Order: sequence, then structure tokens, then C-alpha cells
Amino acid sequence: DTEVTQTPKHLVMGMTNKKSLKCEQHMGHRAMYWYKQKAKKPPELMFVYSYEKLSINESVPSRFSPECPNSSLLNLHLHALQPEDSALYLCASSLSVGLAGVNEQFFGPGTRLTVL
Amino acid sequence: AQKITQTQPGMFVQEKEAVTLDCTYDTSDPSYGLFWYKQPSSGEMIFLIYQGSYDQQNATEGRYSLNFQKARKSANLVISASQLGDSAMYFCAMPMDTGRRALTFGSGTRLQVQP
Repeated sequence: DTEVTQTPKHLVMGMTNKKSLKCEQHMGHRAMYWYKQKAKKPPELMFVYSYEKLSINESVPSRFSPECPNSSLLNLHLHALQPEDSALYLCASSLSVGLAGVNEQFFGPGTRLTVL
Repeated sequence: AQKITQTQPGMFVQEKEAVTLDCTYDTSDPSYGLFWYKQPSSGEMIFLIYQGSYDQQNATEGRYSLNFQKARKSANLVISASQLGDSAMYFCAMPMDTGRRALTFGSGTRLQVQP
């Protein structure tokens, strides 16, 4: 199974809502990532988890709260978002964070988030 | 810090012809790798090809090949025999630094294949 799944595919939420994005992989990968992609821009890194521990937070506002309950699951909890947070949120996984060589990242299909 | 530059915002190519998408990079790391990803309108990032800085030969994967010129710090993607399904955004990327594998991306090139 060489697939990263993300749910939901689309999400519309108000600025006072609390919602969560979910990401799952069953490839035995121990590194998982959240990226944010605005329209017509490249993805930008938000968080990196390595062996279920948060290893990188790219100065993301606290209204985004990541969680890695186990090695296969990655969540992104959303609270009090702003309209400018509307974007495609991509989850990715790779074998590890420290390996040299290919170690390509496998991406999920993304969640298109709209904040009203 | 790593920097990736893609200077072609958009490209057109006729079906069955070859096309080259440009990518230049800047890094102070002695060992590094370069990735190309395809992003259709559906949003998913699809891994296409990888080139390691110490690889002796240019990488090839089916219709995709890399024209890697280390001295010029360029890693151009060549797509041969273009197909309509190749229409998508293409991103060149490399790991942010040797300690972490998160990727930094170029600005992307939108390729449109015309029948």
C-alpha cells in the first residue's frame, strides 16, 4: 500500500469553528509532514513529525495544532481560523527524516479548506 | 538555505513532442538531492524523478529524464512524447537541509499539452 489518504477532501468552516484534518499512511514511514499550499503557489512546510514526535514547527500560529497519535496517523486541529488560512493542506510521509538518498515524500490528495 | 528557481511560469507543448522544464538551485551542502513532482488540478503531488548530487548518470524514469548539470546548478526535467495527461503543474524541490527531509519547492511551471 503506497498511499497517503487525507480526509475530508473539502472543508468549509466559520472562524469560530473547531475542525480537524486527518492523514493516514500504512507504508511504515516514520516521518510525516503538513504543508500548506495557497492558490498558484508552491507548498510551504508547516510541521514535521519524526517517530511520532514533533521535530519542526515552522513558526505556525497556534490556531493550528498538530497531533500524531501513532506512527500511521497525523491530525491537524483547527480553531479560530482566519479567511487567509483558506488553502490546500497537504500531508506527506517519508521513510525517515535523517536518511540520505532518495527517501522521497509521498503526498496525500490534500484537503481544500475554505474559512468563511 | 536552499533556493530553487523555476523561471517558466507556463509552457505549451504539442502532443507527442518533447519539452524541457527548467530548474536551477543554490545550496552550500556538498551532498544533496533534487526531486521533481507533478501536481494535477486534483491537488495531489506525484513524485516523478530524483537526482542525487553524486549520481554519475542523469536519472531517467520512463518518459521522464533529468538533464543534471552540477557545475551550472541546474536540474532540468525532460518529458518525452508528451501526452494530454501530462498537463499539470510541475515543481522542482530539494530537502531544506541535510538534517531534515522536508522539501522546499520552486515556484512551479504550468505545462499545457495541446492536441
